[in-house]
Amino acid sequence: QVQLQESGPGLVKASETLSLTCTVSGGSMSSYFWSWIRQPPGKGLEWIGDIYYSGSTRYNPSLKSRVTISIDRSKNQFSLNLSSVTAADTAMYYCARDPRDYSSGLYGVDYWGQGTLVTVSS
Amino acid sequence: EIVLTQSPGTLSLSPGERATLSCRASQGVSSTYLAWYQQKPGQAPRLLIYGTSSRATGIPDRFSGSGSGTDFTLTISRLEPDDFAVYYCQQCANSFTFGGGTKVEIK
Repeated sequence: QVQLQESGPGLVKASETLSLTCTVSGGSMSSYFWSWIRQPPGKGLEWIGDIYYSGSTRYNPSLKSRVTISIDRSKNQFSLNLSSVTAADTAMYYCARDPRDYSSGLYGVDYWGQGTLVTVSS
Repeated sequence: EIVLTQSPGTLSLSPGERATLSCRASQGVSSTYLAWYQQKPGQAPRLLIYGTSSRATGIPDRFSGSGSGTDFTLTISRLEPDDFAVYYCQQCANSFTFGGGTKVEIK
């Protein structure tokens, strides 16, 4: 059973960089897209970006200038850096797996981490 | 960017009733790239439907999806107590976006 676990500081100061890591266990990282998705308290879901096993990335245009996603295959981890944070970046941050599998037609996030709440303080 | 608009915002129904949730896209979305999720309080979302109408592993058949182009629907044939939650549609045909969600609450 694939499991994803987010880790990182729960409190970040405004203007600093939010850094989170997702550790994947119970399965291979190859041939999948690995995503970061966030949810402000009481609000809906927002896709931040993703990274393919090869290292290619895609970002939400509204966040692109501040986001970097990277992958460490040797550790079965991928990471999120979000710079110059403000209170608007306070949210539950989820890491997730997206098969985007042409042969099965499975385009959707099939595994999610439990989420980690990040609060931006002034 | 493709904007997904979900309606209604809140659906008040009783157990046993049928729920019909709508997701409208600002431009056409290939049916391959439309998915639905369920989220309960304090939990991560769960994939229900992918490819517009395919149920994810372990999803009961009272959940069904349909639609094409810009209009998609999630139907829950007979609501069970465990189905009261928030539902999101999502597309990945052009970048990746979620709808704003529909809350299904107990009437």
